[in-house]
Amino acid sequence: GENVEQHPSTLSVQEGDSAVIKCTYSDSASNYFPWYKQELGKRPQLIIDIRSNVGEKKDQRIAVTLNKTAKHFSLHITETQPEDSAVYFCAASSGIGDSSYKLIFGSGTRLLVRP
Amino acid sequence: SAVISQKPSRDICQRGTSLTIQCQVDSQVTMMFWYRQQPGQSLTLIATANQGSEATYESGFVIDKFPISRPNLTFSTLTVSNMSPEDSSIYLCSAERSTDTQYFGPGTRLTVL
Repeated sequence: GENVEQHPSTLSVQEGDSAVIKCTYSDSASNYFPWYKQELGKRPQLIIDIRSNVGEKKDQRIAVTLNKTAKHFSLHITETQPEDSAVYFCAASSGIGDSSYKLIFGSGTRLLVRP
Repeated sequence: SAVISQKPSRDICQRGTSLTIQCQVDSQVTMMFWYRQQPGQSLTLIATANQGSEATYESGFVIDKFPISRPNLTFSTLTVSNMSPEDSSIYLCSAERSTDTQYFGPGTRLTVL
C-alpha cells in the first residue's frame, strides 16, 4: 500500500524567511496530493493541493511542487508570518477517474515562525 | 467547501462502554471517512463510510470494534465499542464532495478512564 514520508518533523524559521516541507510517496498510481494545516486544537484545513498532471501550483505565499519521476512533492511558504505556525500534513491519494480514494497522510511537520 | 459538524465535541467515558459519534454535512457528499488522531500524531484512516453498504475498514480496524453507519448522503456515525484507555484519541470525520478533495469535521476528543 501507499506510504508517505514527511520531513522535517520540526522546522523553526525567522519571520519573513521561507519554509520548505518535503514529502515522498511510494505508490506510483498516486495522483492527488493535498496539504493540510492544523492549528492546536483545531481541525485540519486544506491549504493547497496538486494533481499529477501539474508540476507546480501557487496560491499567494504558498506553493506546491510535484516531481512524479522522483515521487516527491514539496510545500513552499514564502514571507512567513507568526500565524503560519502550525502542524502541516501532506497526503497522497490515488483516485481513479471520478472515483475517490483514501488519503494517506505523512507524519506531520511542526512549523514555528519566530517573530 | 463543505460545512461539517460532529457531536459530541468531547466526552469522558468509562472502560467497557461504547460511544457513538455523529457526523453531519451541510449538503450531499460522495464519500465520508473516519480518522483517528492520537495526541501529537498524524491522521490514521479507520474506514470509508459507504452509503447503502458496509463500511470499508483499513488494516488494524474491525467492524466489531468500530461499527459505522451511513444512512444517507449527509450523515454518518462511528461507534467506539467496548472502550479501553488505548482508545483515547481524537476522532475526525471527513467528507469529499468533488473528486479527492476532503474537508474535515472539528473532531471528537475521547478520553477513556
